Amino acid sequence: GAGVSQSPRYKVAKRGQDVALRCDPISGHVSLFWYQQALGQGPEFLTYFQNEAQLDKSGLPSDRFFAERPEGSVSTLKIQRTQQEDSAVYLCASSLAGTGTDTQYFGPGTRLTVL
Amino acid sequence: AQTVTQSQPEMSVQEAETVTLSCTYDTSESDYYLFWYKQPPSRQMILVIRQEAYKQQNATENRFSVNFQKAAKSFSLKISDSQLGDAAMYFCAYRAEAYSNYQLIWGAGTKLIIKP
Repeated sequence: GAGVSQSPRYKVAKRGQDVALRCDPISGHVSLFWYQQALGQGPEFLTYFQNEAQLDKSGLPSDRFFAERPEGSVSTLKIQRTQQEDSAVYLCASSLAGTGTDTQYFGPGTRLTVL
Repeated sequence: AQTVTQSQPEMSVQEAETVTLSCTYDTSESDYYLFWYKQPPSRQMILVIRQEAYKQQNATENRFSVNFQKAAKSFSLKISDSQLGDAAMYFCAYRAEAYSNYQLIWGAGTKLIIKP
């Protein structure tokens, strides 16, 4: 596709439910990032993949958060037993080669609301 | 740890005028990259301009230019001839060269309002 796509665009979950957020990066992009953006704030890093390898998950806020990219393309961010503080926009970004000069291209985000 | 600070939560400018958005950062690294991203309402983050720290020349992209002061750790964005389509949240971001994950570290953003 032409850009990074994310689905669903909006998700409402009841507290305690599990959710799965999907990211389709730009075809051929090696690096994939997940960020969490709380209302009125800048994004915060969650995790990073290079191909299928998860090289950094230091930003995941708890063990309820899990991300995978099994074939080095599509990625899924899973949140178990959602809490109200998980309400945020979850942004996915991809870049071509993962080098320092690369531009990260962002998807439209998934807005998660936990009731 | 690296931090990015945007001290202006909101700025407004008259259409066709010039506006400058401020950004400061803190790092002990010598090699890094700085970015300005634009996030229109309910739309995705778009790269506006990028600056490599080793370059002394300020980056320019059409109506957008930066004033990069490495010693002062300052990276402001100047928008000339402001247009209604420039209205958005603007985020300043930092990325180190030295690490392997290349995560972006973000400021809190500045909301830019364009007055017609």
